[in-house]
Amino acid sequence: DAKTTQPTSMDCAEGRAANLPCNHSTISGNEYVYWYRQIHSQGPQYIIHGLKNNETNEMASLIITEDRKSSTLILPHATLRDTAVYYCIVRVVYQGGKLIFGQGTELSVKP
Amino acid sequence: EAGVTQFPSHSVIEKGQTVTLRCDPISGHDNLYWYRRVMGKEIKFLLHFVKESKQDESGMPNNRFLAERTGGTYSTLKVQPAELEDSGVYFCASSQVNNEQFFGPGTRLTVL
Repeated sequence: DAKTTQPTSMDCAEGRAANLPCNHSTISGNEYVYWYRQIHSQGPQYIIHGLKNNETNEMASLIITEDRKSSTLILPHATLRDTAVYYCIVRVVYQGGKLIFGQGTELSVKP
Repeated sequence: EAGVTQFPSHSVIEKGQTVTLRCDPISGHDNLYWYRRVMGKEIKFLLHFVKESKQDESGMPNNRFLAERTGGTYSTLKVQPAELEDSGVYFCASSQVNNEQFFGPGTRLTVL
């Protein structure tokens, strides 16, 4: 079973920041927070991951609370192409390791 | 660099027939994973190879599913005999050790 909870759906205006929350209150000390997204009919796409510090890359920013029980994925300037289902996943990083997908958040970016 | 490729993109077969799906991972990626999404459900893990060895096959639904990765390069997933409930999208992913997984476009399997 997925160890995260996310809102089922969210809307965002094009050009605005999209803030996608995720609760992972049972996260263990050796588990990372990963974000993937799935654009319709494509395979899931890696976005970003982090352990306890905030992370930023060319796609997004990840803000993890100090107690690590929740996090927020930020798409700073959402475009129509960011419309997708976004998955928050907690995962132990050892030699590989399966991803456990939940229902995710369906983000709709509207013009 | 080529991404993960999967073949075929679509397959339509009748119940009782056999289907073999193929996945070519990114070159140099020792880890290879199979996932699937059946209608209306979440994406579910099937199994994980490290090179040619099965590291974790806890997600394989039953013995009608057989995955192989001979030589540690491409992998095949055979369903024999196929049942109606096997319909869905089968994804393959690959990764280097401890890194993010890169997914292929998936194979859409329809069992009639």
